[in-house]
Amino acid sequence: SQKIEQNSEALNIQEGKTATLTCNYTNYSPAYLQWYRQDPGRGPVFLLLIRENEKEKRKERLKVTFDTTLKQSLFHITASQPADSATYLCALEGNAGNMLTFGGGTRLMVKP
Amino acid sequence: GAVVSQHPSRVICKSGTSVKIECRSLDFQATTMFWYRQFPKQSLMLMATSNEGSKATYEQGVEKDKFLINHASLTLSTLTVTSAHPEDSSFYICSAGAGGAGYTFGSGTRLTVV
Repeated sequence: SQKIEQNSEALNIQEGKTATLTCNYTNYSPAYLQWYRQDPGRGPVFLLLIRENEKEKRKERLKVTFDTTLKQSLFHITASQPADSATYLCALEGNAGNMLTFGGGTRLMVKP
Repeated sequence: GAVVSQHPSRVICKSGTSVKIECRSLDFQATTMFWYRQFPKQSLMLMATSNEGSKATYEQGVEKDKFLINHASLTLSTLTVTSAHPEDSSFYICSAGAGGAGYTFGSGTRLTVV
């Protein structure tokens, strides 16, 4: 069965450093891999999408890499700020319009 | 950008009663909406796919008679939790959007059944 793994332990980093979150998956060949941010008691907010034929995507301080051979995506936040503290969810989409399958999320804590 | 409005944000109901949750796409039409459920410290689990003008598609293990979904227009989907019990207490979230372009989620509904 499909499995998406994200580090369940919280990631604590110092303000200004780069946060790197990992998403690994098995038994899946996603057409799209997406990252979302979720704050407590709120719905997820879409951040970035990367296609299966793309290696890297950037948006402001965010960078996502996608290695379909390793079945892994890395999500980077550079120059991290306390406001970046949240849970970050990785989600896979098989084909456009298909359901999203979510990983368990990684909680990021950026300390001032 | 696309906005999905979800109401209510919180609801407390007595065991055995029914609760309706609304999900509206405010500035776009959504032929398909998705309903998720999230337990504390867990990820989102898809419950069903809501299709405008037709029956919803439920994921394995989700009781369609308990979680009634109605998608009567291109901007509104509703989820009704019928005969709610304490084990139905959870965070319910809807989403809509174009495949391959990211999805917009509602702000979620915290249901507590007492």
